[in-house]
Amino acid sequence: GDSVTQMEGPVTLSEEAFLTINCTYTATGYPSLFWYVQYPGEGLQLLLKATKADDKGSNKGFEATYRKETTSFHLEKGSVQVSDSAVYFCALSETGTASKLTFGTGTRLQVTL
Amino acid sequence: DGGITQSPKYLFRKEGQNVTLSCEQNLNHDAMYWYRQDPGQGLRLIYYSQIVNDFQKGDIAEGYSVSREKKESFPLTVTSAQKNPTAFYLCASREGPQVNNSPLHFGNGTRLTVT
Repeated sequence: GDSVTQMEGPVTLSEEAFLTINCTYTATGYPSLFWYVQYPGEGLQLLLKATKADDKGSNKGFEATYRKETTSFHLEKGSVQVSDSAVYFCALSETGTASKLTFGTGTRLQVTL
Repeated sequence: DGGITQSPKYLFRKEGQNVTLSCEQNLNHDAMYWYRQDPGQGLRLIYYSQIVNDFQKGDIAEGYSVSREKKESFPLTVTSAQKNPTAFYLCASREGPQVNNSPLHFGNGTRLTVT
């Protein structure tokens, strides 16, 4: 079945540091890929998405590129802020199922001054 | 503003009681979902519904029930048969049913504590 694997956290960075959160996936078809962010006590918000190979999703300084050859969708940001502290989830939606998303276990990011 | 409303935000129940969590959306989305979130386990799918009057079990449906009588509403009942009901419950919706690249929109969740 489909699965998503994320690096374990927490990831602790100083403000203005470079961020990478790794995400790899297993899917039988050509999934769409998503990154969601969850702030404390809230639901998940869509951060960015990519729907086909080599697509780059970007939003609020975050980027991720859909790499079919390595089945990866790593999240990056050039300079993190304290306000980026949250839990980040990678997810996939399989082509044709039109139903559920499969989520990774989430990676907690802590940014300090 | 369009969105998903979950209520209440916090819910406390005694063991052995059934409890129903509310989820309402005004996004005109066809598909709705219930996820359970536990520390270190990410999100696990309980039930989902692609159209009114139809729903399917997710990965952890045992001890839960749902209904989808209206497009806007997808309530989740946590029954006494659920062995470990204390968790954070998230409702979501999505355009559909045949739109696999559309994102999920989430509510702010209900934290259920059963003692």
